[in-house]
Amino acid sequence: GIQVEQSPPDLILQEGANSTLRCNFSDSVNNLQWFHQNPWGQLINLFYIPSGTKQNGRLSATTVATERYSLLYISSSQTTDSGVYFCAVADYTGANSKLTFGKGITLSVRP
Amino acid sequence: KAGVTQTPRYLIKTRGQQVTLSCSPISGHRSVSWYQQTPGQGLQFLFEYFSETQRNKGNFPGRFSGRQFSNSRSEMNVSTLELGDSALYLCASSSGDGTEAFFGQGTRLTVV
Repeated sequence: GIQVEQSPPDLILQEGANSTLRCNFSDSVNNLQWFHQNPWGQLINLFYIPSGTKQNGRLSATTVATERYSLLYISSSQTTDSGVYFCAVADYTGANSKLTFGKGITLSVRP
Repeated sequence: KAGVTQTPRYLIKTRGQQVTLSCSPISGHRSVSWYQQTPGQGLQFLFEYFSETQRNKGNFPGRFSGRQFSNSRSEMNVSTLELGDSALYLCASSSGDGTEAFFGQGTRLTVV
């Protein structure tokens, strides 16, 4: 099956700093999503981005499908950005809704 | 529109018992997928139901089963609970054609 690797596994930032989170995947995908898991466990949708670039406020994401990676950018980080960020992909197997997750990136933003 | 609703939010069960979890997807979504999250294994796919049929299945024992009703609501059942089944169970709702999936708040199951 498809493999998903996220890096770095842990990231510690001072408030106001910028960061880049990376997701590599091993095969062609028809779905790529970035999530932020809140302290209560819910996965919050950040981006649905199988290809191209999107921006939402201080967050932006880029997926280069031909090179099999995606990047999540966080600018001017805030303490509320802390938590675990997951990348998840679905491969090209028909109308495939099965998501394969990376192990996550734990971000800590210090005041 | 309403999001994905999972019930109950928390459960404590004893080894050997069985448990049923429920997931109501976003209105109009026909696909419901279930995932298990544990500290050791991360987020793992259990199975997907689409239009009342299991369309995809992960590598979990037969003790884990599910079903989907005509209104797209889904239930997941775990029989003969083991300590290792303690986990956060998340369900995802989507239209089923590989587009964006949305998750519920999860059910945290503790087996004692």
